[in-house]
Amino acid sequence: NAGVTQTPKFQVLKTGQSMTLQCAQDMNHNSMYWYRQDPGMGLRLIYYSASEGTTDKGEVPNGYNVSRLNKREFSLRLESAAPSQTSVYFCASSADRGLNTEAFFGQGTRLTVV
Amino acid sequence: RKEVEQDPGPFNVPEGATVAFNCTYSNSASQSFFWYRQDCRKEPKLLMSVYSSGNEDGRFTAQLNRASQYISLLIRDSKLSDSATYLCVVSERPNSGYALNFGKGTSLLVTP
Repeated sequence: NAGVTQTPKFQVLKTGQSMTLQCAQDMNHNSMYWYRQDPGMGLRLIYYSASEGTTDKGEVPNGYNVSRLNKREFSLRLESAAPSQTSVYFCASSADRGLNTEAFFGQGTRLTVV
Repeated sequence: RKEVEQDPGPFNVPEGATVAFNCTYSNSASQSFFWYRQDCRKEPKLLMSVYSSGNEDGRFTAQLNRASQYISLLIRDSKLSDSATYLCVVSERPNSGYALNFGKGTSLLVTP
């Protein structure tokens, strides 16, 4: 009963390095999301995907790219990491059926860029 | 300007107290409303959806006022285990899919 699985759980990068955060869900959900959470800022939407093959920018997309590989997987890529991208990243998914669609979250990735 | 506003607190209350959290949202076209709970260093989890008629789940009552664009959460008979951050969440449907907008959260500490 995995739900939403994110990898890695922790990562330290040097400025300028690249990495991809992986996310997979096994609930057959259409919508998937990437958020970052910073102290005092709350959760901010980076990108979301309403269905396989579609992605849209959220509130803070700069410095990130995403890929909806298939219905299950939604990855987030940092091409050239910056210290400002130090944050906790959460992937989420929702069924997108009807109005009251619960979002399920992964356990988060704690990223530090030095 | 944040689209979903919450009082960050912290709210420090004794066990057994009743506490209320408020939330306002700016987009009148918002369609769905939720309260999520987030424990320290954990992922957010749905506490309850908020319906126009108001709804109750045990000690928790949620209210929605669309005219005032205001959402509330009332916790009665607070327990130590209620200590967490409570996130107000508003869903709006852009051209495709749903986007969830989170408030910054209200921190609650229930003390013995």
